[in-house]
Order: sequence, then structure tokens, then C-alpha cells
Amino acid sequence: DGGITQSPKYLFRKEGQNVTLSCEQNLNHDAMYWYRQDPGQGLRLIYYSQIVNDFQKGDIAEGYSVSREKKESFPLTVTSAQKNPTAFYLCASSIVFQNTEAFFGQGTRLTVV
Amino acid sequence: KNQVEQSPQSLIILEGKNCTLQCNYTVSPFSNLRWYKQDTGRGPVSLTIMTFSENTKSNGRYTATLDADTKQSSLHITASQLSDSASYICVVSGITANQGGKLIFGQGTELSVKP
Repeated sequence: DGGITQSPKYLFRKEGQNVTLSCEQNLNHDAMYWYRQDPGQGLRLIYYSQIVNDFQKGDIAEGYSVSREKKESFPLTVTSAQKNPTAFYLCASSIVFQNTEAFFGQGTRLTVV
Repeated sequence: KNQVEQSPQSLIILEGKNCTLQCNYTVSPFSNLRWYKQDTGRGPVSLTIMTFSENTKSNGRYTATLDADTKQSSLHITASQLSDSASYICVVSGITANQGGKLIFGQGTELSVKP
């Protein structure tokens, strides 16, 4: 089945630790995105990648890092510099950048303990 | 100021009833407007995508309308079912140079369908 897969579904992080969220797609999409979702707010863009080996900061990139070494993979690292990392993180992909249908993964809920 | 505003913030209806969710936006010009359904703890799933030239688009019991002149969209749900309980998100895609096709998300309307 084609789709976009995020793992893990739940993740717990101690303060001061870096954690990496996985996002894999087998849709052959060029563009991939990471969003953060907080209660009562719209999704906010963290990072995006229009093509393999390229990525750009979104609106709230501070404290996060990404890589795009393979077309199908776009992992997100939440670093210790992110002061309020507890949130629901969503990965998405689209055939080309932004103006086509975006498919979302099932999300990862990150909690700082 | 959020460029995409949804109302109401939350809504409770009885199973079998119809409802309409609203989306007002200031993004201009725009490429397309989308409605997504997001179940609790899951990723959003696309319901409709409309370009500026389309007025109405249906997907089963879901019908989206768009008035590009007044910058308003609505999502009408007919004969609601318990499984319609979810958050409904309006998303507008801009096309200007500084927006670069950026997706701008509304905060969502939380719909609860009761038996």
C-alpha cells in the first residue's frame, strides 16, 4: 500500500535530550513537510523539502533540524534548544511543492517528562 | 492576525442532522482551498480541494462551497453520522511571491455528533 508513515506514535523525552521523529513515504513524492500542532491553533510549518538533498526553514524552525538524504525519508530532530517541544507532530508529502494534494502521516505525539 | 478563520470553534449536533462549518480567509490571491478531516490523534485526511474558479464540490455527504468574491467557504455535512465526529480544518494555498504556494491552516472546528 502507498502511504506516508510516521514513527513512533508516542515519544517521551527527558529535558536536555535530542529525539528524532521518523517519516517515510512510498508515494514517490518530491516534497515533504513537518508541521507542529498545538491545541486551538492551526498547523504550523517547521521545515520543508522541495526535493532530495534540499530543505528550507518554515515558520517555527528554531530548535529543530532535518535531513533529506533520500527521497522517501525526511526525519525531524527535536533538539534540546526547543524549549517547548511537547506537541503533536505531523509529516506530510505532496507530488510537488505546496500546490497539490498533501498527504499526512498519522502523527507523533511528543511529551517532555 | 490569522489569515484563515474558522467558525464555530466547536459544534455539537445530533446524529442524522445537517450542519455547516464556515471558513473566512484573507489570503489573496490564492491557488486553492482545501477542507481536511482530522480524527483525534490521527493525521488530517483531505475531503475536498477547490480552485478559485470552482463554486461547489461534493464528496459523498460533504459539500464544500467557495465564494472567492467574499473570501468565504463553507463545508456542509448532510445526515451526520457518529463517525463524522472530528476536527475539520480549512487550508488556503497562496500564490504570491512571498507566499510561494504556502499552505495556511485555520485552527479547525471541533464537531461532535451525539446519538
